[in-house]
Amino acid sequence: DAKTTQPTSMDCAEGRAANLPCNHSTISGNEYVYWYRQIHSQGPQYIIHGLKNNETNEMASLIITEDRKSSTLILPHATLRDTAVYYCIVRVGMAGSARQLTFGSGTQLTVLP
Amino acid sequence: DGGITQSPKYLFRKEGQNVTLSCEQNLNHDAMYWYRQDPGQGLRLIYYSQIVNDFQKGDIAEGYSVSREKKESFPLTVTSAQKNPTAFYLCASSGPTSGSYNEQFFGPGTRLTVL
Repeated sequence: DAKTTQPTSMDCAEGRAANLPCNHSTISGNEYVYWYRQIHSQGPQYIIHGLKNNETNEMASLIITEDRKSSTLILPHATLRDTAVYYCIVRVGMAGSARQLTFGSGTQLTVLP
Repeated sequence: DGGITQSPKYLFRKEGQNVTLSCEQNLNHDAMYWYRQDPGQGLRLIYYSQIVNDFQKGDIAEGYSVSREKKESFPLTVTSAQKNPTAFYLCASSGPTSGSYNEQFFGPGTRLTVL
C-alpha cells in the first residue's frame, strides 16, 4: 500500500468548508484513496473513497488530482461534530480479499465555534 | 438496526488474568478484524478472519487469541502473555455487502485497563 502524508492538525470555523489534504505520491494505478474519521473514543467511520474521478456523497467530497499524487477531502459546511481525526488510506481495491487497513496518525481537525 | 457491537465498553483486569472481548455483527459480513489503538496512535491489526473457522495473524498477534465459530461473532482473548495490554480495542467487519472489503464498519470499542 502506498504511503500517505497528512498534516498533523488543522482548524476550521464552524459553517465553513474544511479542506483536508493528503499526499500519496507513490500511488499505483490500481490503488484507491479512502478516507475515514475517528471521533474521540469511538470507532473509525468510513467517509468516502475514489480512484481517479472526483466523488461526492452525503458526508463529503473527494477531489483527486489528475496525476493522482494527492487528494483533498472537503467537508462543505463543517459543524462542531466534525471535530475528529481524519485518516487518508491508499489501498488496492480488491473486492474479494480481506486485508488490514493501515491507519497512520491522520489529521486532527478541530472545528471552532 | 444493523451494526457491529462490542462489549464491555470498559474493562479492568488484574495482571496475570486472561480476558475476552466480545464482538458481534449482524451485517452479514464475511470478514472481521481486531485492531488495537494506543493513545495518540493509529490502529494496528491484531487478527483478522475472512471466513468462519479461519483467521490470520496481523502485525501484533503475540499475546492474543481469537476464534471464529460463527459468522456473526469474533471474540478476542487477551492473555497474560500480552505484556502491555492496556489499550483501546476496536473490532470491525467488512464484506461484499459493504461495497468492498476496504469499507470496514467499526464497533464502538472496548477500553481495557490492566491494574
